Amino acid sequence: GAVVSQHPSRVICKSGTSVKIECRSLDFQATTMFWYRQFPKKSLMLMATSNEGSKATYEQGVEKDKFLINHASLTLSTLTVTSAHPEDSSFYICSATTLLTGLYGYTFGSGTRLTVV
Amino acid sequence: RKEVEQDPGPFNVPEGATVAFNCTYSNSASQSFFWYRQDCRKEPKLLMSVYSSGNEDGRFTAQLNRASQYISLLIRDSKLSDSATYLCVVIKLGGTSYGKLTFGQGTILTVHP
Repeated sequence: GAVVSQHPSRVICKSGTSVKIECRSLDFQATTMFWYRQFPKKSLMLMATSNEGSKATYEQGVEKDKFLINHASLTLSTLTVTSAHPEDSSFYICSATTLLTGLYGYTFGSGTRLTVV
Repeated sequence: RKEVEQDPGPFNVPEGATVAFNCTYSNSASQSFFWYRQDCRKEPKLLMSVYSSGNEDGRFTAQLNRASQYISLLIRDSKLSDSATYLCVVIKLGGTSYGKLTFGQGTILTVHP
């Protein structure tokens, strides 16, 4: 079945630094990638939607200059948390789908737990 | 009002019990519906799609009522391994929100011996 590899699974960084999270679709072409964040005991909240080769569409309240999304190829999308602060500590998950053959289904990465100290 | 609302629980049930979860959605243009399962600190995994005609997968039965904008999940003969958070998910297709999943806050289930 479809697999999305997300790295790193866990990262601890200092305040003010940037962290890059990668999601790769291993056996299909991900035309669309969704990026979510999840706080403890809360549901997944969509941050942005990115289509390959286009600028990402951010949800209301999500700072596009803080959460940089790149989807330059059909197999790789990245989320960079710039100038991270403790309130950015969260669980970040990507979800990929392809529209090349109709609505394919959604494959989730395994998530990245970010802790900013 | 949230787009997708669930009773957060927690539900604590003994093995073998039958438990039902409910979910309501506010956008009548929603077109596809799913139940996902999320284990602690893991990514969500698709449990089953939900159809108006109702669908069953082993011990799991899902139902959709479009008129009431209501989705349900029934788990029969609960197992310890069913302990997880169950997420109601809705998709509205078309426009700029093509394929965007909207998650409910999740219902926590704990099955005990």
